[in-house]
Amino acid sequence: DGGITQSPKYLFRKEGQNVTLSCEQNLNHDAMYWYRQDPGQGLRLIYYSQIVNDFQKGDIAEGYSVSREKKESFPLTVTSAQKNPTAFYLCASSIGQSSGEQFFGPGTRLTVL
Amino acid sequence: SQQGEEDPQALSIQEGENATMNCSYKTSINNLQWYRQNSGRGLVHLILIRSNEREKHSGRLRVTLDTSKKSSSLLITASRAADTASYFCATDSSAGNMLTFGGGTRLMVKP
Repeated sequence: DGGITQSPKYLFRKEGQNVTLSCEQNLNHDAMYWYRQDPGQGLRLIYYSQIVNDFQKGDIAEGYSVSREKKESFPLTVTSAQKNPTAFYLCASSIGQSSGEQFFGPGTRLTVL
Repeated sequence: SQQGEEDPQALSIQEGENATMNCSYKTSINNLQWYRQNSGRGLVHLILIRSNEREKHSGRLRVTLDTSKKSSSLLITASRAADTASYFCATDSSAGNMLTFGGGTRLMVKP
């Protein structure tokens, strides 16, 4: 099956710990994105990558880091510098054009205790 | 900042009724998209309408775009309980920025 996967579905971490969220796609898409969603809210862009080994900050990049070493993978690290990390994190990909249709993963719900 | 804003924030209707959601945006766009999100899940793309289009249909979905008013509407006809979800509009600017999502409309369809 072609698609985009995120793991784990639920993640619990203690305050002050870094945590890495996984995002993998087998759609052969060039572009990948990370969004944060808070309860009852829309999506806010954290980071995006339009090509391997290149990525740009979105609207709320502070306290987050990413890497894009492979086309298929775009992991997101939530660092201890992120002041309020508890949220629902969504990864997406698109063929190339940044404003085209995006395909979303099922999301990871991160809770920091 | 949010480019798109949906209205209403929440909508409750009976099965079989039509549901209309609106989206307003601030700057010129290349296209506008609508997505659906079931509770606790990822978003699913519904429809994309380009800035030079005025209306588009897909099954029970009808989307209109009025660039002079910077607004779009999503109409779901003959709603079903399975249509219960949050619906988001997403826009890009003519400058080619990334998609910006609105806050969403939470639709509940009662059987």
